[in-house]
Amino acid sequence: GQQVMQIPQYQHVQEGEDFTTYCNSSTTLSNIQWYKQRPGGHPVFLIQLVKSGEVKKQKRLTFQFGEAKKNSSLHITATQTTDVGTYFCAGDNYGQNFVFGPGTRLSVLP
Amino acid sequence: KAGVTQTPRYLIKTRGQQVTLSCSPISGHRSVSWYQQTPGQGLQFLFEYFSETQRNKGNFPGRFSGRQFSNSRSEMNVSTLELGDSALYLCASRWMGQGNEKLFFGSGTQLSVL
Repeated sequence: GQQVMQIPQYQHVQEGEDFTTYCNSSTTLSNIQWYKQRPGGHPVFLIQLVKSGEVKKQKRLTFQFGEAKKNSSLHITATQTTDVGTYFCAGDNYGQNFVFGPGTRLSVLP
Repeated sequence: KAGVTQTPRYLIKTRGQQVTLSCSPISGHRSVSWYQQTPGQGLQFLFEYFSETQRNKGNFPGRFSGRQFSNSRSEMNVSTLELGDSALYLCASRWMGQGNEKLFFGSGTQLSVL
């Protein structure tokens, strides 16, 4: 079955440093979504990428979808303590269920 | 618009018992999905219901079952509980319209099996 992997599993950064998490699917995806889960909270939708090679920005967050639609990345510029949480990618395999990656837990030291 | 509501928030059960969890989706959302979240395994897909029919099913044993009612509310049942079933159970709803497939999660039910 479809598998979605994410690296790294954990990332500790100093406030102001950049952060990147990578997501790879074993199969081609129709679209990919990113979610953020704060400690003690539930996942919250961040963005959806649909087109091959698509790049989207939300303030300090930059999302990319690979040309082959099998990988994606989330980059945060100049992290802040409010960025703390676990970031999940979720791949949509053409109408099947979303398959979530294991997540990358981000810690930001002030 | 009210968000996704899950009840109860916490549950403590013993091995062998059964449990039923409830999820009320956002008004107008006809799809409800269930996920199991554990610290080591991330979010594991259980099943998805759409218009009272199971649309997709994950790789979980038959002890895990669900249903959806005509008002889109969904229930998940776990029979013969095992210690390994301890987890946060999240439900998510979505509006099945083109280009608007994002999931809205509830706060989850934290199940502890003793």
